[in-house]
Amino acid sequence: EVQLVETGGGLIQPGGSLRLSCAASGFTVSSYYMTWVRQAPGKGLEWVSVIYKIGTTYYADSVKGRFTISRDNSKNTLYLQMNSLRAEDTAVYYCAREGWDVWGKGTTVTVSS
Amino acid sequence: EIVLTQSPGTLSLSPGERATLSCRASESVSSTHFAWYQQKPGQAPRLLIYGASSRATGIPDRFSGSGSGTDFTLTISRLEPEDFAVYYCQQFGNSFTFGPGTTVDFK
Repeated sequence: EVQLVETGGGLIQPGGSLRLSCAASGFTVSSYYMTWVRQAPGKGLEWVSVIYKIGTTYYADSVKGRFTISRDNSKNTLYLQMNSLRAEDTAVYYCAREGWDVWGKGTTVTVSS
Repeated sequence: EIVLTQSPGTLSLSPGERATLSCRASESVSSTHFAWYQQKPGQAPRLLIYGASSRATGIPDRFSGSGSGTDFTLTISRLEPEDFAVYYCQQFGNSFTFGPGTTVDFK
């Protein structure tokens, strides 16, 4: 079964760091571009980052310089390293596959003191 | 950055009625890179329409998409109780952006 499972969310203080993981099954992450999308409480969807098959990465302006997307092909897993976290980064974080037909259920990140 | 504007913000309808949702882009978008999603509370978005007019796997034929350039439409021909949700449009041809969403709720 094709599936994505996000983990790593939690409560973190402002300025802290967190690494999200997105484990894939049923397909190979390196064969697709993979993205992170987030949704703040009661708000809409916001694209965060993408990693293309060749490894090129891009970020939304709101996270550029603070977040890093990567993947581990041996573990078939996508990551999002989040540093210098702010209150406005509080959201459910989803990973999604190219084609946008496969999404994880999301992991919740809360940035608060 | 391409900005997507959705209208109306909220659509109040009854089961069996027709729903017409609009998405307008600030500049022309490739139809190949345009999609619609449905999201219910506590759930991830679900792909409904890709390529502006193609239904995703398992999507009932009461859902249809149309449009090109800067104007796109999602139509639900006859609302079923499970269709009351939030709908988002998206373009991914020039970076990635989502519209703010249209809520379809019970009248």
